[in-house]
Amino acid sequence: AQSVTQPDIHITVSEGASLELRCNYSYGATPYLFWYVQSPGQGLQLLLKYFSGDTLVQGIKGFEAEFKRSQSSFNLRKPSVHWSDAAEYFCAVGATGGGNKLTFGTGTQLKVEL
Amino acid sequence: DTEVTQTPKHLVMGMTNKKSLKCEQHMGHRAMYWYKQKAKKPPELMFVYSYEKLSINESVPSRFSPECPNSSLLNLHLHALQPEDSALYLCASSQVLAGGPGELFFGEGSRLTVL
Repeated sequence: AQSVTQPDIHITVSEGASLELRCNYSYGATPYLFWYVQSPGQGLQLLLKYFSGDTLVQGIKGFEAEFKRSQSSFNLRKPSVHWSDAAEYFCAVGATGGGNKLTFGTGTQLKVEL
Repeated sequence: DTEVTQTPKHLVMGMTNKKSLKCEQHMGHRAMYWYKQKAKKPPELMFVYSYEKLSINESVPSRFSPECPNSSLLNLHLHALQPEDSALYLCASSQVLAGGPGELFFGEGSRLTVL
């Protein structure tokens, strides 16, 4: 079964600084990988996804992520954080042939200092 | 239209009440989901419907009863809930892909409080 780990529960960055949120997955084959963002009291919004192909994926709101098979990682990056990026970020993994089941990581709470 | 609409946004119910949560999408997606999310926790999958048939039930207690009347609608019927069932209930939809999970589109959720 697939699993995903987000090692950082909380991260605080200054506005304008760069950001990297870590995500490690466990799955035997090539996984389906996603990053979602959730603002307080809201649903989840997809930032980006990786199914196959180019390992550097561009998403919305200036985010990108890089799939590294050798490290079983799919870290999320942004070169310059805005105060509105403060939210909860979830990494999720799905299995090839695993139907429609996504497994979510425990999330990383991002705080942005002005 | 890339929206998943959930009603009601807030619901307070007693342990003996019967209520329903409703979800609607018009994106032509043939997979629909119910997730439960407690505060400061990730969403937990409850049910998946694929082509209007229940395909995944994550061992959810029978006091939660899902229904998919057609490809656009998903209901969650609630009966005899416990206070620990208080949570944000999220509906989502996606395309059904041959290889794996599609991108989930989430609604804003229904905040349920059980007294």
